[in-house]
Amino acid sequence: DAGVIQSPRHEVTEMGQEVTLRCKPISGHNSLFWYRQTMMRGLELLIYFNNNVPIDDSGMPEDRFSAKMPNASFSTLKIQPSEPRDSAVYFCASSLSRGYTEAFFGQGTRLTVV
Amino acid sequence: AQKITQTQPGMFVQEKEAVTLDCTYDTSDPSYGLFWYKQPSSGEMIFLIYQGSYDQQNATEGRYSLNFQKARKSANLVISASQLGDSAMYFCAMGPTGANSKLTFGKGITLSVRP
Repeated sequence: DAGVIQSPRHEVTEMGQEVTLRCKPISGHNSLFWYRQTMMRGLELLIYFNNNVPIDDSGMPEDRFSAKMPNASFSTLKIQPSEPRDSAVYFCASSLSRGYTEAFFGQGTRLTVV
Repeated sequence: AQKITQTQPGMFVQEKEAVTLDCTYDTSDPSYGLFWYKQPSSGEMIFLIYQGSYDQQNATEGRYSLNFQKARKSANLVISASQLGDSAMYFCAMGPTGANSKLTFGKGITLSVRP
């Protein structure tokens, strides 16, 4: 299995631009998570999906952030418009939602907003 | 709500010695899982070990073991025979069991292994 695949690995964009991060979960996993990691706040759960349905988006910082999961093999996290404080590493993770299972993480996308 | 606390400052250990990384948690869920992840300087998150709240025995995985004390709500990670490659950030996490489980992470602990 190729693992969780995220793209791009690095993204540098100007403030105000739209940014789209992409994630392909492990085949057969039915839970998908988006995390953001910063030095100040550590790992924060932004949103998670179960069977393609958003279950909890309480971690999404504000309306500028949106996430979709149109099918079991693809998810996007969009920031529009982006701001410098959005600079962080964004991780996507997937797991089997049967409890007692670990989440497998992608390599992350390092986002820099200048 | 769930909460993970990792309060140790940066940890140092001599190569080949054992080290314990502390983790305490709080939850009202009757059934839950506890996890440890490693994040080396390259940035990826690597799953290390899992402990279920109803497991009778402490989990072990190679050089990693989890010292689970349910009454004290602690789930410390023990790394035996430390190697230079163990230098990394270590995160404790927990999640309820069930269909809509999600992981909550602690702030992490930095471990440096000295040659």
